[in-house]
Amino acid sequence: NAGVTQTPKFQVLKTGQSMTLQCAQDMNHEYMSWYRQDPGMGLRLIHYSVGAGITDQGEVPNGYNVSRSTTEDFPLRLLSAAPSQTSVYFCASSYTGTRSGEQYFGPGTRLTVT
Amino acid sequence: AQSVAQPEDQVNVAEGNPLTVKCTYSVSGNPYLFWYVQYPNRGLQFLLKYITGDNLVKGSYGFEAEFNKSQTSFHLKKPSALVSDSALYFCAVRDALYGGATNKLIFGTGTLLAVQP
Repeated sequence: NAGVTQTPKFQVLKTGQSMTLQCAQDMNHEYMSWYRQDPGMGLRLIHYSVGAGITDQGEVPNGYNVSRSTTEDFPLRLLSAAPSQTSVYFCASSYTGTRSGEQYFGPGTRLTVT
Repeated sequence: AQSVAQPEDQVNVAEGNPLTVKCTYSVSGNPYLFWYVQYPNRGLQFLLKYITGDNLVKGSYGFEAEFNKSQTSFHLKKPSALVSDSALYFCAVRDALYGGATNKLIFGTGTLLAVQP
């Protein structure tokens, strides 16, 4: 059982480049989300989805796009990378509704924008 | 506004001593509370949760947490610390606005636990 997987593990981008961070889960979870982790700021929610075709913004959505075409996949796109987007990015998934509870996290993607 | 506070950036404890990592919350309605642990260069791992029931919740690796509604606290505890417990600990509360429809979590800023041998 793979759980939540993320690729790549590390990435270096130049300012203005675009890229997609991949996230997949094999637990048939309805809810998927993207967080960024910065020192002293905990985890901040970027975007989330409660099912295929449904996405919404979190706390810090600017500069990021998401889509959810399948239950399993939830990619995060950086449209034009900026140094302020240097961070560690985590994807997480869980059930919703009466089965909701703990979220399962991927191993993270460490992104550096120069 | 809903929020979670972890007042200590770092907690130092000697191996074998009891440990407490503090968390207070502010949320409307009944809180769903969680503790996660993050080891270096790893993702977050679920430790325990409080939804309803007993105020003392037991979780993984010998950790437990005490829910106190009057003090709006959910402190993480362990009777005897191990060096291997050294990690970053996050408290989180589920966004009460949407209930279980989304399972959005609000995280604290994290507390670094350092256990000295």
